[in-house]
Amino acid sequence: DGGITQSPKYLFRKEGQNVTLSCEQNLNHDAMYWYRQDPGQGLRLIYYSQIVNDFQKGDIAEGYSVSREKKESFPLTVTSAQKNPTAFYLCASSRGTGAWGELFFGEGSRLTVL
Amino acid sequence: GQQLNQSPQSMFIQEGEDVSMNCTSSSIFNTWLWYKQEPGEGPVLLIALYKAGELTSNGRLTAQFGITRKDSFLNISASIPSDVGIYFCAGQAGGSQGNLIFGKGTKLSVKP
Repeated sequence: DGGITQSPKYLFRKEGQNVTLSCEQNLNHDAMYWYRQDPGQGLRLIYYSQIVNDFQKGDIAEGYSVSREKKESFPLTVTSAQKNPTAFYLCASSRGTGAWGELFFGEGSRLTVL
Repeated sequence: GQQLNQSPQSMFIQEGEDVSMNCTSSSIFNTWLWYKQEPGEGPVLLIALYKAGELTSNGRLTAQFGITRKDSFLNISASIPSDVGIYFCAGQAGGSQGNLIFGKGTKLSVKP
């Protein structure tokens, strides 16, 4: 079945360590996104990518980095520069033109910093 | 920046009751979307609205794109226990896909 796969589902990290969250999609979607979700909050955009080898900062990009070397993959690195990294991270994709807002989400990765 | 005000923040209802929630904005949007998120999972798209005044149904769910383009509502009729979750509205002003704005969600609890 087509969909988006995020891994790991749960991740613990010590302060000062970088960590990379994986996101893979087999929907043949052009656009991919990373959102951060905190309790009682809406989803906040970290980074997005419209095409391979191109990505744009979202509202809260500081302390994060991404790459888009393949259409199917959009990994997110949470760096040690991110001051409050404990959160639920959601990856999403969309078809593109005419349906940018119709997002398909993965199941999320919950990162806890110890 | 643009913000969406989603209300109510939470709802506790009896099975079989109808539910209504809404989102408002001070800015105009070209697209309104409604998503549902169950615990520990990613949101799932319920309904997408693309025209002012549009009324769209998906089973027991009905959503409308407000005439002013600054609001949208979602109704759920005859609620059932599996309707439990957090419902998010999202609005998009157009242009770059990076400007999809999410509301903070309405948490729905259904008592059997």
